[in-house]
Amino acid sequence: QVQLQESGPGLVKASETLSLTCTVSGASISSYYLSWIRQPPGKGLEWIGYIYYTGSTNYNPSLKSRVTMSVDTSKNQFYLRLSAVTAADTAVYYCARSPVVPAANWFDPWGQGTLVTVSS
Amino acid sequence: DIVMTQSPDSLAVSLGERATVNCKSSQSVLYTSKNKNYLAWYQQKPGQPPKLLIYWASTRESGVPDRFSGSGSGTDFTLTISSLQAEDVAVYFCQQYYTTPLTFGGGTKVEIK
Repeated sequence: QVQLQESGPGLVKASETLSLTCTVSGASISSYYLSWIRQPPGKGLEWIGYIYYTGSTNYNPSLKSRVTMSVDTSKNQFYLRLSAVTAADTAVYYCARSPVVPAANWFDPWGQGTLVTVSS
Repeated sequence: DIVMTQSPDSLAVSLGERATVNCKSSQSVLYTSKNKNYLAWYQQKPGQPPKLLIYWASTRESGVPDRFSGSGSGTDFTLTISSLQAEDVAVYFCQQYYTTPLTFGGGTKVEIK
């Protein structure tokens, strides 16, 4: 059973860089698209972007200038960095996997999510 | 970007009754050459991540009860819970994966009347 788990600081100062790790267990991350998705408290879902196990990426244009994703297949981990954060970046951040089927960019499974609060 | 609009924002349904959630996309998510609608539905309970219910607009994920069904094509889609159970109280989201950026609807909160 594949499981994903996010980790990283729960509090980040405004203007600094948010850094999160997603650890995948139960399966190799090779051959999968791995996404980061966020949800501000009480609000809807925003796709941040995805990374393929080869390292190729696709970012949401709304965040593209501030986002960097990377992957370490040897550790079965992938990473998110979001620079120059503001209060608007306060959210629960999820990592999620998309299946191997071509163009099947739905999300399953998801990690439990980690709340990141940006302080001023 | 494809904008996904859900309606209603919330609804209250009696136990055992039908609940219907609507999702409209700002452009078609039907890939005509494959005859597939690139739309998924999720259920999110408080304090939990979303759970995949349906993909390709109408294919139920393994383990999802058959009271959940998806329908629609092109730009208009529906999630139906045929007989609402207490454990179905949640927020439901639609998501298009026709093109990036991948986008979600705003969510519909389903409650017990």
